[in-house]
Formats: sequence, structure tokens, C-alpha cells
Amino acid sequence: QVQLVESGGGVVQPGGSLRLSCAASGFIFSNYGMHWVRQAPGKGLEWVAFIEHDGSSKYNVDSVKGRFTISRDNSKNTVNMQMNSLRVEDTAVYYCARRRCSSGCAPGDWLDPWGQGTLVTVSS
Amino acid sequence: SSELTQDPTVSVALGQTVRITCQGDSLRNYYASWYQQKPRQAPILVICDKNNRPSGIPDRFSGSSSGNTASLTITGAQAEDEAEFYCYSRDSSGDHWVFGGGTKLTVL
Repeated sequence: QVQLVESGGGVVQPGGSLRLSCAASGFIFSNYGMHWVRQAPGKGLEWVAFIEHDGSSKYNVDSVKGRFTISRDNSKNTVNMQMNSLRVEDTAVYYCARRRCSSGCAPGDWLDPWGQGTLVTVSS
Repeated sequence: SSELTQDPTVSVALGQTVRITCQGDSLRNYYASWYQQKPRQAPILVICDKNNRPSGIPDRFSGSSSGNTASLTITGAQAEDEAEFYCYSRDSSGDHWVFGGGTKLTVL
């Protein structure tokens, strides 16, 4: 079945780095854009980053620009996020999710499925 | 601040109908999708492409849209529907995405 499994979370000091990975299975990975979404403890969902199916386009939320880099390896069915210069406010569960669309992705797209999430804690 | 606005809390009596709304300028151009999240679980998609239900989602869930407002309606709410609900769409630029702040649904 379609499945996403995140890994790479952990505890890191402010200013440190982490690399998250999301392993996909059960579908043709290279056909789909992928997103990262995070959720701080007790807070709502926040979109973080997107990468197009072939890696040709990437977008980030402003709060992580210049610090987080999304990438993918279609030969390994993985999407990654390199997180540098981590801040306390980056503490969250990070989910990867597959982008689904209709009508060429305009006017609507959605996230399905989601992984189970990986916890990133930034603390001294 | 979120570009999609949701009421933080909504309650409904068991078996009654409830509507959860999501407002934002980008909804005039883009459809919203809706996600249900229960404590300590990942979100799941309940409505996509304005009013389509993925397989496995009960038909008591439906979506609609008018102007700058998208709505999720639960007709005959059940106890297991108690959860946080989030709307999601693109922002006004079209190359970023955004979630609403979430609505905590309580089934009384």
C-alpha cells in the first residue's frame, strides 16, 4: 500500500543541523510532488516546503528560507530536508506528505497520504 | 498569521449537523482540502478537490465553497468525529501553501 516513513528526527542544540528523510513506497514516486509539514507542540499545522516531482521547482515558507533545503532522490524513492541553523522555534513533529492534484493541479491540490511524523527538538 | 481563518472551537450535539468554515482570499482561486487530526495521530484527508471524499471516509462528510469561504459539513456527527480539523490551500501567490489555524470539534 501507499506508505511514507520519516526518519532523522532527534534532539539538537540551537544553531545545529539535522537531515530528515522520508521513504516512499507503494506508488510511482517520481510522478508526485512532495511536501514537508510541521506541527509545534500543542500548535496547528504549518506548511514548510515543497519539491516538484522532478526536483525542478522548490518552495519554502519564509521562516525557513536560507536554512532548510528540500531535495529528492527518485532512484531511492526518498525526499529529504536538510535543516541548518536550527532555532528553538523549529521544534516540531515533521511530516512528509504526497501531493495529489486534479485538472493539472489547478485549481486544487491536496496532501495524501501523510507519514507518521518525526520529532525534532531544538534545545540547549 | 495564517491566511486561512477558522473558528478555533465548534461543538455539535451527537447526531446533529455541523459546519466548519475556512475563510481566505486565495479560496476565490483555489479549492480547499480538509484534514482531520486526532490526538497523537497524523492528519488524514477527509475532503479534497472541493467536495470529493477519499475512499474510507464516511459520506456524512461533505465540502462546499462560495466566494472566499470553504466549508466542511458533517451531517449526523458521531462521537468518533471529535478531532481537530484543518483546511489547506495555496496562498494568494500560488507557489506557497497554507493551513488554517484549525478548528477543534467537540461532539456533545
